[in-house]
Amino acid sequence: DIVMTQSPDSLAVSLGERATISCKSSQSVLHSSNNKNYLAWYQQKPRQPPKLLISWASARESGVPDRFSGSGSGTDFTLTISRLQAEDVAAYYCQQYLSGPPYTFGQGTKLEIK
Amino acid sequence: EVQLSESGGDLVQPGGSLRLSCEASGFLFSSFAMNWVRQPPGRGLEWVSVMSGGGAGRSYADSVEGRFTISRDNANNMLYLQMNSLRVEDTAIYYCAKGGYNYRFPFDSWGQGTLVTVSS
Repeated sequence: DIVMTQSPDSLAVSLGERATISCKSSQSVLHSSNNKNYLAWYQQKPRQPPKLLISWASARESGVPDRFSGSGSGTDFTLTISRLQAEDVAAYYCQQYLSGPPYTFGQGTKLEIK
Repeated sequence: EVQLSESGGDLVQPGGSLRLSCEASGFLFSSFAMNWVRQPPGRGLEWVSVMSGGGAGRSYADSVEGRFTISRDNANNMLYLQMNSLRVEDTAIYYCAKGGYNYRFPFDSWGQGTLVTVSS
């Protein structure tokens, strides 16, 4: 199974500043036939279900603010929130869906306001 | 609008059984793979099981293989998870999540979840 490892486990950032979360996979999630990275990012606010933010490593879902961006390829990925807002306080998870099932998630990164 | 609504969560003793249900609406249910994902209190997400749109394919996490059974009723837009031989470590919020046309898609919609507590 592909192991997904996020860093850091928790992060405190000031309002208006940049937040960066890393996700590394134990094997490449880049599919050679279509050059797509099978990597998603989810946001989970307190007492809510997860919400898909970004798929294919960098494609924002409809309605997701453009301050959220995803980048990376192969085994190394980054979720960036360019100007942190109070409503961005949440846990963030990466997930690979190339080698699934089983699908695997990172352990999560808890983002708070400094 | 896609809507997913889970039910069936309860307090159950170790070794007991429980059946979870997920009612879907707002999309062509039979065309999409459907998943169960769980989250123990205060912890991260763990994928549990998936079933293909037509119901021919299914898969399970090693932690539940042989104890849990996923099924679906496409005529009534329902997804189920039969959970047998429950263990304390199965305690979690269980979410149903919509997949894609095949297994290689992210989970683009989630229900609110139903809480399963396994305790004596």
